[in-house]
Amino acid sequence: GEDVEQSLFLSVREGDSSVINCTYTDSSSTYLYWYKQEPGAGLQLLTYIFSNMDMKQDQRLTVLLNKKDKHLSLRIADTQTGDSAIYFCAESMGSQGNLIFGKGTKLSVKP
Amino acid sequence: GAVVSQHPSRVICKSGTSVKIECRSLDFQATTMFWYRQFPKQSLMLMATSNEGSKATYEQGVEKDKFLINHASLTLSTLTVTSAHPEDSSFYICSALGAQTSQGPQHFGDGTRLSIL
Repeated sequence: GEDVEQSLFLSVREGDSSVINCTYTDSSSTYLYWYKQEPGAGLQLLTYIFSNMDMKQDQRLTVLLNKKDKHLSLRIADTQTGDSAIYFCAESMGSQGNLIFGKGTKLSVKP
Repeated sequence: GAVVSQHPSRVICKSGTSVKIECRSLDFQATTMFWYRQFPKQSLMLMATSNEGSKATYEQGVEKDKFLINHASLTLSTLTVTSAHPEDSSFYICSALGAQTSQGPQHFGDGTRLSIL
Protein backbone atom coordinates (compact mmCIF):
# COMPACT_ATOMS: atom_id res chain seq x y z
CA GLY A 1 0.00 0.00 0.00
CA GLU A 2 0.90 3.64 -0.07
CA ASP A 3 3.36 4.75 2.56
CA VAL A 4 5.32 7.90 3.27
CA GLU A 5 8.24 7.66 5.68
CA GLN A 6 10.19 10.40 7.37
CA SER A 7 12.38 10.66 10.43
CA LEU A 8 10.58 11.88 13.53
CA PHE A 9 13.05 14.37 14.96
CA LEU A 10 15.74 16.78 13.81
CA SER A 11 17.67 19.22 15.94
CA VAL A 12 19.88 21.97 14.51
CA ARG A 13 21.55 25.17 15.68
CA GLU A 14 20.30 28.53 14.55
CA GLY A 15 22.00 29.60 11.35
CA ASP A 16 22.78 26.04 10.24
CA SER A 17 21.04 24.29 7.36
CA SER A 18 18.33 21.73 8.07
CA VAL A 19 17.67 18.78 5.80
CA ILE A 20 14.49 16.80 6.26
CA ASN A 21 14.21 13.58 4.31
CA CYS A 22 11.21 11.62 3.09
CA THR A 23 10.65 8.44 1.13
CA TYR A 24 7.45 7.51 -0.64
CA THR A 25 6.19 4.42 -2.39
CA ASP A 26 3.90 5.44 -5.24
CA SER A 27 5.89 6.26 -8.34
CA SER A 28 2.75 7.60 -10.03
CA SER A 29 2.40 10.51 -7.61
CA THR A 30 2.05 13.70 -9.61
CA TYR A 31 2.90 16.18 -6.88
CA LEU A 32 4.90 15.91 -3.68
CA TYR A 33 4.45 18.42 -0.91
CA TRP A 34 6.00 19.85 2.18
CA TYR A 35 3.71 21.28 4.84
CA LYS A 36 4.61 23.03 8.09
CA GLN A 37 2.55 22.75 11.25
CA GLU A 38 3.13 24.91 14.28
CA PRO A 39 1.70 23.85 17.67
CA GLY A 40 -2.09 23.97 17.73
CA ALA A 41 -2.32 25.25 14.17
CA GLY A 42 -3.37 23.90 10.81
CA LEU A 43 -1.04 23.02 7.97
CA GLN A 44 0.78 25.65 6.00
CA LEU A 45 1.80 24.73 2.47
CA LEU A 46 5.53 25.44 2.24
CA THR A 47 6.34 24.21 -1.20
CA TYR A 48 5.58 21.45 -3.66
CA ILE A 49 7.31 19.85 -6.58
CA PHE A 50 5.91 18.35 -9.73
CA SER A 51 7.09 14.83 -10.40
CA ASN A 52 8.98 15.74 -13.57
CA MET A 53 11.22 18.17 -11.68
CA ASP A 54 14.46 17.32 -9.89
CA MET A 55 14.87 20.45 -7.84
CA LYS A 56 12.92 23.50 -6.83
CA GLN A 57 14.24 26.45 -4.87
CA ASP A 58 12.20 29.13 -3.21
CA GLN A 59 14.16 31.59 -1.07
CA ARG A 60 15.54 29.60 1.87
CA LEU A 61 13.80 26.39 0.84
CA THR A 62 15.23 23.85 -1.58
CA VAL A 63 13.38 20.68 -2.54
CA LEU A 64 15.22 17.79 -4.15
CA LEU A 65 13.39 14.90 -5.79
CA ASN A 66 15.01 11.61 -6.71
CA LYS A 67 12.32 9.69 -8.55
CA LYS A 68 14.45 6.62 -9.03
CA ASP A 69 14.91 6.19 -5.28
CA LYS A 70 11.50 7.75 -4.44
CA HIS A 71 13.28 10.16 -2.14
CA LEU A 72 12.28 13.74 -1.38
CA SER A 73 14.18 16.21 0.76
CA LEU A 74 13.59 19.69 2.10
CA ARG A 75 16.59 21.88 2.88
CA ILE A 76 16.09 25.01 4.96
CA ALA A 77 19.03 27.36 4.72
CA ASP A 78 20.00 29.63 7.63
CA THR A 79 17.50 27.95 9.94
CA GLN A 80 15.83 30.30 12.42
CA THR A 81 14.07 29.65 15.72
CA GLY A 82 10.82 30.51 13.96
CA ASP A 83 11.34 27.47 11.75
CA SER A 84 10.76 25.19 14.74
CA ALA A 85 7.68 23.16 13.84
CA ILE A 86 6.58 19.80 12.51
CA TYR A 87 7.19 19.29 8.81
CA PHE A 88 5.02 16.86 6.87
CA CYS A 89 5.90 15.27 3.59
CA ALA A 90 2.91 14.24 1.47
CA GLU A 91 2.22 12.65 -1.89
CA SER A 92 -0.95 13.07 -3.90
CA MET A 93 -2.88 9.97 -4.78
CA GLY A 94 -5.56 9.05 -7.24
CA SER A 95 -7.75 11.13 -9.46
CA GLN A 96 -9.22 13.06 -6.53
CA GLY A 97 -5.84 14.26 -5.36
CA ASN A 98 -6.15 13.10 -1.77
CA LEU A 99 -2.90 13.25 0.16
CA ILE A 100 -0.96 10.58 1.99
CA PHE A 101 1.07 12.10 4.79
CA GLY A 102 4.20 11.01 6.55
CA LYS A 103 4.21 11.07 10.35
CA GLY A 104 5.96 14.41 10.41
CA THR A 105 9.47 15.50 11.42
CA LYS A 106 9.73 17.71 14.45
CA LEU A 107 12.41 20.32 13.81
CA SER A 108 13.93 21.92 16.89
CA VAL A 109 16.15 24.94 16.38
CA LYS A 110 18.51 25.80 19.22
CA PRO A 111 19.81 29.35 19.60
CA GLY B 1 -2.50 33.06 -2.21
CA ALA B 2 -5.33 30.59 -1.71
CA VAL B 3 -7.01 30.94 1.65
CA VAL B 4 -9.12 28.39 3.47
CA SER B 5 -11.07 29.52 6.50
CA GLN B 6 -12.20 26.99 9.09
CA HIS B 7 -14.58 27.74 11.97
CA PRO B 8 -14.79 27.41 14.85
CA SER B 9 -11.17 27.08 15.92
CA ARG B 10 -12.04 25.49 19.24
CA VAL B 11 -15.12 23.81 20.67
CA ILE B 12 -15.69 22.44 24.15
CA CYS B 13 -19.04 20.79 24.76
CA LYS B 14 -20.83 18.09 26.66
CA SER B 15 -21.19 14.52 25.52
CA GLY B 16 -24.20 14.00 23.25
CA THR B 17 -23.95 17.40 21.58
CA SER B 18 -23.74 17.71 17.81
CA VAL B 19 -21.03 20.02 16.52
CA LYS B 20 -20.81 21.62 13.09
CA ILE B 21 -17.49 22.70 11.59
CA GLU B 22 -17.35 24.93 8.51
CA CYS B 23 -14.66 25.02 5.87
CA ARG B 24 -14.69 27.85 3.34
CA SER B 25 -12.45 28.61 0.40
CA LEU B 26 -12.23 32.39 0.43
CA ASP B 27 -10.69 33.34 -2.87
CA PHE B 28 -11.12 30.31 -5.09
CA GLN B 29 -13.70 27.72 -6.00
CA ALA B 30 -13.11 24.33 -4.50
CA THR B 31 -14.71 21.41 -6.27
CA THR B 32 -13.15 19.04 -3.78
CA MET B 33 -12.64 19.43 -0.07
CA PHE B 34 -11.05 16.95 2.30
CA TRP B 35 -11.62 16.36 5.98
CA TYR B 36 -8.78 15.06 8.13
CA ARG B 37 -8.46 14.08 11.73
CA GLN B 38 -5.25 14.40 13.70
CA PHE B 39 -4.61 12.77 17.04
CA PRO B 40 -1.97 14.26 19.35
CA LYS B 41 1.55 13.91 17.98
CA GLN B 42 0.33 11.92 15.01
CA SER B 43 -0.07 12.49 11.33
CA LEU B 44 -3.25 13.44 9.53
CA MET B 45 -5.72 10.71 8.70
CA LEU B 46 -8.10 11.31 5.82
CA MET B 47 -11.70 10.91 6.93
CA ALA B 48 -13.61 11.75 3.79
CA THR B 49 -13.47 13.43 0.42
CA SER B 50 -16.22 15.90 -0.32
CA ASN B 51 -17.25 16.90 -3.83
CA GLU B 52 -19.60 19.78 -4.50
CA GLY B 53 -23.11 18.60 -5.22
CA SER B 54 -22.54 14.93 -4.52
CA LYS B 55 -22.25 12.58 -1.58
CA ALA B 56 -18.98 12.45 0.29
CA THR B 57 -16.67 9.47 -0.03
CA TYR B 58 -15.70 8.13 3.37
CA GLU B 59 -12.52 6.27 4.22
CA GLN B 60 -12.72 2.80 5.64
CA GLY B 61 -13.61 2.81 9.31
CA VAL B 62 -15.18 6.28 9.30
CA GLU B 63 -18.87 6.22 10.23
CA LYS B 64 -20.85 8.26 7.73
CA ASP B 65 -23.79 8.58 10.11
CA LYS B 66 -21.49 9.91 12.79
CA PHE B 67 -19.61 12.39 10.64
CA LEU B 68 -22.05 14.12 8.31
CA ILE B 69 -20.50 16.02 5.45
CA ASN B 70 -22.27 18.53 3.26
CA HIS B 71 -20.64 20.30 0.31
CA ALA B 72 -23.48 22.46 -0.90
CA SER B 73 -21.48 25.07 -2.77
CA LEU B 74 -18.11 25.53 -4.43
CA THR B 75 -16.85 27.48 -1.44
CA LEU B 76 -18.32 25.72 1.57
CA SER B 77 -18.16 22.26 3.10
CA THR B 78 -19.41 21.38 6.57
CA LEU B 79 -18.60 18.50 8.89
CA THR B 80 -21.12 17.72 11.61
CA VAL B 81 -20.04 15.42 14.41
CA THR B 82 -23.36 14.01 15.60
CA SER B 83 -23.93 13.06 19.23
CA ALA B 84 -20.27 13.59 20.02
CA HIS B 85 -18.58 11.53 22.73
CA PRO B 86 -15.20 11.92 24.44
CA GLU B 87 -13.53 9.58 21.95
CA ASP B 88 -14.44 12.05 19.19
CA SER B 89 -12.20 14.66 20.81
CA SER B 90 -9.53 15.47 18.26
CA PHE B 91 -8.12 18.08 15.93
CA TYR B 92 -10.13 18.25 12.71
CA ILE B 93 -8.63 19.94 9.65
CA CYS B 94 -10.16 20.60 6.26
CA SER B 95 -8.42 21.28 2.99
CA ALA B 96 -9.60 22.47 -0.38
CA LEU B 97 -8.55 21.75 -3.92
CA GLY B 98 -9.10 24.35 -6.61
CA ALA B 99 -11.38 23.71 -9.54
CA GLN B 100 -8.52 24.25 -11.97
CA THR B 101 -6.69 21.04 -11.26
CA SER B 102 -7.37 17.76 -9.50
CA GLN B 103 -3.76 17.25 -8.54
CA GLY B 104 -2.64 20.68 -7.46
CA PRO B 105 -1.69 21.72 -3.96
CA GLN B 106 -4.26 21.45 -1.23
CA HIS B 107 -4.70 24.44 1.02
CA PHE B 108 -5.56 23.80 4.63
CA GLY B 109 -7.69 25.56 7.17
CA ASP B 110 -6.33 26.32 10.63
CA GLY B 111 -8.12 23.35 12.15
CA THR B 112 -10.77 22.90 14.83
CA ARG B 113 -9.88 21.49 18.20
CA LEU B 114 -12.88 19.57 19.51
CA SER B 115 -13.03 18.63 23.17
CA ILE B 116 -15.96 16.57 24.41
CA LEU B 117 -16.46 16.46 28.16
